[in-house]
Amino acid sequence: DGGITQSPKYLFRKEGQNVTLSCEQNLNHDAMYWYRQDPGQGLRLIYYSQIVNDFQKGDIAEGYSVSREKKESFPLTVTSAQKNPTAFYLCASSTAETGAYEQYFGPGTRLTVT
Amino acid sequence: GQNIDQPTEMTATEGAIVQINCTYQTSGFNGLFWYQQHAGEAPTFLSYNVLDGLEEKGRFSSFLSRSKGYSYLLLKELQMKDSASYLCAVRDRGGSYIPTFGRGTSLIVHP
Repeated sequence: DGGITQSPKYLFRKEGQNVTLSCEQNLNHDAMYWYRQDPGQGLRLIYYSQIVNDFQKGDIAEGYSVSREKKESFPLTVTSAQKNPTAFYLCASSTAETGAYEQYFGPGTRLTVT
Repeated sequence: GQNIDQPTEMTATEGAIVQINCTYQTSGFNGLFWYQQHAGEAPTFLSYNVLDGLEEKGRFSSFLSRSKGYSYLLLKELQMKDSASYLCAVRDRGGSYIPTFGRGTSLIVHP
């Protein structure tokens, strides 16, 4: 079955530590995205990548970093510079083949930093 | 960018019909999406409208009026499992094809 996987589902870290969230897709989609979701807020775009070895900042990129070395993988690192890292993180992918470019989301990682 | 507005919360009765509205302002409209998100889970794609009119998919329909900056998601024959958050997302003209999401409408279906 094709899909997007994120691991782990829950992640706990101490303040001051960097942490990397995994996102893998086997849908053969070119574009991948990272969003952050906080209670009462919409999805906010952190970073996106439209092609391997290229990525762009979204609306709230400060304190985050990404890489796109393979088409299937788009890991997100939450650095110690991110002031409020506790949130639900969602990875998504899309393809031009559907025409609408609708996004397919992974199950999410809930990060808690104390 | 876009300014997207949708109600925070709605309640409805099992078996009934509910309409969730979404209004938006954008400099160059290029499509509107509806997603469903159950608590703690991933959003799932429901519908896409780029032209005016109604798109029907089973119990769910989505309507768009570009001149009014308005869309609604209509859910018929409500079931308890329809209790979820419904996200409206609008895309504008530009090279990235990335939509901006509204804050979502939490729908509670009660017996």
